[in-house]
Amino acid sequence: QKEVEQDPGPLSVPEGAIVSLNCTYSNSAFQYFMWYRQYSRKGPELLMYTYSSGNKEDGRFTAQVDKSSKYISLFIRDSQPSDSATYLCAMSSGSNYQLIWGAGTKLIIKP
Amino acid sequence: ETGVTQTPRHLVMGMTNKKSLKCEQHLGHNAMYWYKQSAKKPLELMFVYNFKEQTENNSVPSRFSPECPNSSHLFLHLHTLQPEDSALYLCASSHPNGGGGATDTQYFGPGTRLTVL
Repeated sequence: QKEVEQDPGPLSVPEGAIVSLNCTYSNSAFQYFMWYRQYSRKGPELLMYTYSSGNKEDGRFTAQVDKSSKYISLFIRDSQPSDSATYLCAMSSGSNYQLIWGAGTKLIIKP
Repeated sequence: ETGVTQTPRHLVMGMTNKKSLKCEQHLGHNAMYWYKQSAKKPLELMFVYNFKEQTENNSVPSRFSPECPNSSHLFLHLHTLQPEDSALYLCASSHPNGGGGATDTQYFGPGTRLTVL
């Protein structure tokens, strides 16, 4: 079993839709949860960072962590074609330099 | 731009060649990383340097040899690679915010697309 599971997609939705991206994990020691966005021919960039459980909102983006279910989500409201990218989840227990990554979900927003 | 540059952007090499990838960060960070990204697979951490000292080596084959002459530059020397080594190689850097480690935001370069024939 992989430590972090993420559906690779592609996920294709119309412009303006609410998008839900998810990851599940198996290691209960994870406390730090991140979402990175990677555009084509670019490196990943940090989008959202959450510590422990709860919600965090930043503009059109909301990150949710449910540690009891070992499940994290990223919601995108009013999705735009410029949101088309691959979204990678990553997490850590905080004890070393090792981030554990999901394989990424490719998101396509159709105009 | 993220402040992390990588050269070359594309590299094609034979299995007997020797080549090097270069990474430079202009962010004043102390930690630098090499990752391997293959299609539909999670990023694989290869090496971590903190203040020029190697702190992580994730059982990477010896045909990959890192070098970190200072906190701004990182190299990955390649020799006798295999076709399965074809991938996107990403460099990243971070600045420890007291805690250090994986919780510090990592800034990535655009990567080098490597093809091994």
